Amino acid sequence: NAGVTQTPKFQVLKTGQSMTLQCAQDMNHNSMYWYRQDPGMGLRLIYYSASEGTTDKGEVPNGYNVSRLNKREFSLRLESAAPSQTSVYFCASSERRHNSPLHFGNGTRLTVT
Amino acid sequence: KNQVEQSPQSLIILEGKNCTLQCNYTVSPFSNLRWYKQDTGRGPVSLTIMTFSENTKSNGRYTATLDADTKQSSLHITASQLSDSASYICVVSAESNYQLIWGAGTKLIIKP
Repeated sequence: NAGVTQTPKFQVLKTGQSMTLQCAQDMNHNSMYWYRQDPGMGLRLIYYSASEGTTDKGEVPNGYNVSRLNKREFSLRLESAAPSQTSVYFCASSERRHNSPLHFGNGTRLTVT
Repeated sequence: KNQVEQSPQSLIILEGKNCTLQCNYTVSPFSNLRWYKQDTGRGPVSLTIMTFSENTKSNGRYTATLDADTKQSSLHITASQLSDSASYICVVSAESNYQLIWGAGTKLIIKP
């Protein structure tokens, strides 16, 4: 089993460009999440999908959109990238929204110049 | 405000030694507390989840303790190995909305 797979691993964008980060899980999990990780800070939730067909905002949703394409796939889109979005982005999944451990992908390192 | 504070920020120990990492939280109402291990360049990996009624939980050489009265947790690593070099992150879940509040982590370096 691959677990949670994220693509791409690295990306450099110019300010104003757009891109989509892809995430897929093969554990039949109901819930999926997008986090960003910045130096010296805890992970911050951008968006989550408690189950297929639903998405909700997390702590820092501004500048991002998501799509829960099906049970396996959850994508994150930056419509107009800004330098403040330079970060490492992690996708995660869990069996349930509550009391289940999160399983993470290995991240996308994004730099916006 | 819901917060999770971890100490120390970083720690260097010799291979084979034990160490203890600390986590204090102000999350209320409390649901559960988790410890994750994050290797450099990788995503976090779950070590333990502890609910209100559990005060000790082990996963191999890792033992987590929870004192819900003082809102403190610790992660004890026994007989450290080079592969234990990583960041260890404490995460507390709020009962009200399932929100996870993440600490900034403790960076542990094991030297041979």
